[in-house]
Amino acid sequence: SQTIHQWPATLVQPVGSPLSLECTVEGTSNPNLYWYRQAAGRGLQLLFYSVGIGQISSEVPQNLSASRPQDRQFILSSKKLLLSDSGFYLCAWSAGTSLDEQFFGPGTRLTVL
Amino acid sequence: LAKTTQPISMDSYEGQEVNITCSHNNIATNDYITWYQQFPSQGPRFIIQGYKTKVTNEVASLFIPADRKSSTLSLPRVSLSDTAVYYCLGVDTGRRALTFGSGTRLQVQP
Repeated sequence: SQTIHQWPATLVQPVGSPLSLECTVEGTSNPNLYWYRQAAGRGLQLLFYSVGIGQISSEVPQNLSASRPQDRQFILSSKKLLLSDSGFYLCAWSAGTSLDEQFFGPGTRLTVL
Repeated sequence: LAKTTQPISMDSYEGQEVNITCSHNNIATNDYITWYQQFPSQGPRFIIQGYKTKVTNEVASLFIPADRKSSTLSLPRVSLSDTAVYYCLGVDTGRRALTFGSGTRLQVQP
């Protein structure tokens, strides 16, 4: 069966520090991968998605970036965190088109102080 | 891509049927309606998806009338564990990404 992992589970970082969040998927190949952010009490905001290695689409301009160095690995990064980057970061995967169910990871709760 | 509107919150009691209505007046021919459920501090989970008429699975039913400008998610005999946020999404078959709104916060009381 397929599983999706994210780490770390929680993170507290000072403003201006770098960020690296990792997501890996097991049990499937060539998945579509997604990064979402959820602010407290709000809906999910799609940040990036990837349909293959090295292929990244950005949905919202921001100081974050994403990379996909391997088929089942998706990394979210920042060179300098802002207070507004605080939130719950979720990675998800799907098999193909937008009609395919998206499976979400456990999430990373990031607090920027 | 269909813009969806749904109530911010709803309250219910255990054992009742809950119907959450979603409005999507500008739904396009390629759009499907999909519902996700999210518990606190977890990622959303797919519930059901449909294009027209009625779809039923082991968890819920989805009613979409002929004009497709609205849809209703029906949860039969809710329990406390159904307390969650429910998202209605208009899914464009031509895109790979989903757009989540703010959802409906359902609170089930004993």
